[in-house]
Amino acid sequence: QVQLVQSGAEVNKPGASVKVSCKASGYTFTRYVIHWVRQAPGQRLEWMGSINADNGNTRYSQKFQGRVTITRDTSASAAYMELSSLRSEDTAVYYCARDGFRGSGWPYWGQGTLVTVSS
Amino acid sequence: EIVLTQSPGTLSLSPGERAALSCRASQSLSSSYLAWYQQKPGQTPRILIYGVSNRATGIPDRFSGSGSGTNFTLTISRLEPEDFAVYFCQQYGNSPYTFGQGTKLEIK
Repeated sequence: QVQLVQSGAEVNKPGASVKVSCKASGYTFTRYVIHWVRQAPGQRLEWMGSINADNGNTRYSQKFQGRVTITRDTSASAAYMELSSLRSEDTAVYYCARDGFRGSGWPYWGQGTLVTVSS
Repeated sequence: EIVLTQSPGTLSLSPGERAALSCRASQSLSSSYLAWYQQKPGQTPRILIYGVSNRATGIPDRFSGSGSGTNFTLTISRLEPEDFAVYFCQQYGNSPYTFGQGTKLEIK
């Protein structure tokens, strides 16, 4: 079965960077796009960017352009999201999610990683 | 950016009743890439509907989706106790992909 397993909770200071991993199993990693989405307390889900796991092409939300970097390691079947210049407003649960087959939405999600930004 | 606006913000109903949740897009979704998700406290989003009206694998047939253009509806025909949760719509056809702010379905 398809699984996306994310790295554990993080506490970081303002101005620092955080890198969250998403390890995939149960399917051929390079066949699908991985998305990163965050959910701040009381806020709607927010798409940050995505990566084509096959060719590594990325697409970012303009809101996060310049602060977010999404990469993948095909040998590890893993995707990574790094967010820099952290501020308190970045405190949120960060999810990775995988595309479905032929436009069937995003049926697979990681368990979420809580990132807390606090001095 | 396509903004999705859901209504109502909170819907109070009893088990066995019918629920209709609305999602309005700021511009027409020509690709019909509109999905609905359910989220319970402390859990990840679970996809219910994709492509406006297609049920995802394992989703009971009391859940149905409809709509076109800018107006979409998720209908739950007879509410079960486990259906009380927050529901989000999402458009995934045009980057940046966006989500609605959610409708909380609570027990009356």
